[in-house]
Amino acid sequence: DAMVIQNPRYQVTQFGKPVTLSCSQTLNHNVMYWYQQKSSQAPKLLFHYYDKDFNNEADTPDNFQSRRPNTSFCFLDIRSPGLGDAAMYLCATSRDSEGWEQYFGPGTRLTVT
Amino acid sequence: KNQVEQSPQSLIILEGKNCTLQCNYTVSPFSNLRWYKQDTGRGPVSLTIMTFSENTKSNGRYTATLDADTKQSSLHITASQLSDSASYICVVSMFSGGYNKLIFGAGTRLAVHP
Repeated sequence: DAMVIQNPRYQVTQFGKPVTLSCSQTLNHNVMYWYQQKSSQAPKLLFHYYDKDFNNEADTPDNFQSRRPNTSFCFLDIRSPGLGDAAMYLCATSRDSEGWEQYFGPGTRLTVT
Repeated sequence: KNQVEQSPQSLIILEGKNCTLQCNYTVSPFSNLRWYKQDTGRGPVSLTIMTFSENTKSNGRYTATLDADTKQSSLHITASQLSDSASYICVVSMFSGGYNKLIFGAGTRLAVHP
């Protein structure tokens, strides 16, 4: 059973054209995370939602925004994608207690042309 | 600075052989340590998770160890299979502000050859 679902799996966008990536979860977890992973690098946390509370990492560019309209869904908006934003974007969820597992989605591979 | 370092960066072994991957960390406060397997183009999948008081944990052919005193962990893979070819990522968790912040290692890329 799918638990963390990301759509689309592959996304191609043009330089400067806004793009939205989608994540949904069937786990009813409080916390949802967005990570950026470039080739052969570790995932880098962009931000997370604790319920409706948005928490931005200090070094996340303003170009990246997020929305969480309800518990199940979370969106990553890239307002003006640059070539350097081409990467795998991973969504993850967890409960709000210490030690709980983070479950990752399959990722969306973003290509910027 | 909170860091997780893994070695080796990459490893090639023959099918059926065993291997051990290493992880050193300087993360504080420590919550738990996880090993993930990430196939190419896929999201990470959890193999093991260990808290401060656990020394070893197994998941099938995968056995993880943790030495909280020396801040070292290892992942041992027994009787490797071709499907074990993947990146193995060591992740240390800090619990702060009501959520687990994960500090990722750069991973060890394992290739299992027939």
